[in-house]
Amino acid sequence: EIVLTQSPGTLSLSPGERATLSCRASQSVGSSYLAWYQQKPGQAPRLLIYGASSRATDIPDRFSGSGSGTDFTLTISRLEPEDFAVYYCQQYLTSPATFGQGTKLEIK
Amino acid sequence: EVQLVESGGGLVKPGGSLRLSCAASGFTFSTYGMNWVRQAPGKGLEWVSSISGSGTYMYYADSVKGRFTISRDNAENSLYLQMNSLRAEDTALYYCARGLRGVISYSDIWGQGTVVTVSS
Repeated sequence: EIVLTQSPGTLSLSPGERATLSCRASQSVGSSYLAWYQQKPGQAPRLLIYGASSRATDIPDRFSGSGSGTDFTLTISRLEPEDFAVYYCQQYLTSPATFGQGTKLEIK
Repeated sequence: EVQLVESGGGLVKPGGSLRLSCAASGFTFSTYGMNWVRQAPGKGLEWVSSISGSGTYMYYADSVKGRFTISRDNAENSLYLQMNSLRAEDTALYYCARGLRGVISYSDIWGQGTVVTVSS
């Protein structure tokens, strides 16, 4: 099983700042089998990024994904108030598909 | 509008069974793999099971293998999860999600979930 470790667990930032979230895999997931999701309280997850760097439909361009192999990053260039949420990475290279434990992005 | 609506959750005793359903609309259901993902109270996301568009290929998390069965009815645009021998640790919000790119996939459309509580 591929284990995904996200860091930090909690990130405290202010609107307008840049957020950098990390996802590290226990073994390579290649260059394109990594997705990122955003989840707000009481809501279902929302797909942000797939293929490590491709934005999903209607996702603002302030969200970007990068990385390959075992190290991946989700960057939010300028935080908007609605961006404060929990973010999960997911690998889909192989079964079982696995999620990271999440990073909570909170308002400082 | 593309939509997924789960149903069938509820309170069940340990060892009991439950069948979850997911009604799909707004897209050609048979051409997509489908996933079940769960979230225990206050916890993160956990992949449970996936099924191919034709229903031929199915995958399960080790934690549910042998107890849960995923299936689909493409004529009815419906996805199912039969859950047997339920345990307290199966308590969670269960999401149905549309898969993209293969059977083991990421999910672009999610339902709002149905709550399963396993307790005596």
